[in-house]
Amino acid sequence: GAGVSQTPSNKVTEKGKYVELRCDPISGHTALYWYRQSLGQGPEFLIYFQGTGAADDSGLPNDRFFAVRPEGSVSTLKIQRTERGDSAVYLCASSPYPGQGVGYTFGSGTRLTVV
Amino acid sequence: SQQGEEDPQALSIQEGENATMNCSYKTSINNLQWYRQNSGRGLVHLILIRSNEREKHSGRLRVTLDTSKKSSSLLITASRAADTASYFCATDRYNQGGKLIFGQGTELSVKP
Repeated sequence: GAGVSQTPSNKVTEKGKYVELRCDPISGHTALYWYRQSLGQGPEFLIYFQGTGAADDSGLPNDRFFAVRPEGSVSTLKIQRTERGDSAVYLCASSPYPGQGVGYTFGSGTRLTVV
Repeated sequence: SQQGEEDPQALSIQEGENATMNCSYKTSINNLQWYRQNSGRGLVHLILIRSNEREKHSGRLRVTLDTSKKSSSLLITASRAADTASYFCATDRYNQGGKLIFGQGTELSVKP
């Protein structure tokens, strides 16, 4: 597609529920990144994929968070047993060449609210 | 944890004035990038400066990089009300596969 698409744009869920956030990157971009941003803060790295594999998942806060990219394009960020502290904007970005000094293209984000 | 620190945290200027934002970082980098964000949603890539470059221009934007001081600055000349946004620096560190680490951002307000 023309840009990075994230769905849903807003998600409200109850504490303890499971949620999935979807990212559809720019076609042909091999690198895909997930970030989380709390109000007034900069984006915080969660995980990035080169193709289908997670090249670096060091930013995932705990084992309730998991992400997949089974076919090397669309990615899903999965959060189990959500907590109020998970409320944030979740941002996805893609780039054509990881580590080659090309800027990211970001999606508009999913605002997750856990009540 | 964030790699960089930005100052000021907030900046308010009049239209037509120049705006300067600074970014400091801690480790060696491949490049440093600046992004803009409106209304807390998606970020837009503005400009990238490589570690072997000292200055770069793009339209009304001027970026400098001092690797000896581990710092960068973003200058927006002749600011417009439409430049009101949050601005973030992000570092691409060695051997990190292109993973960017963002600073806390500077919130710029340009008053008409």
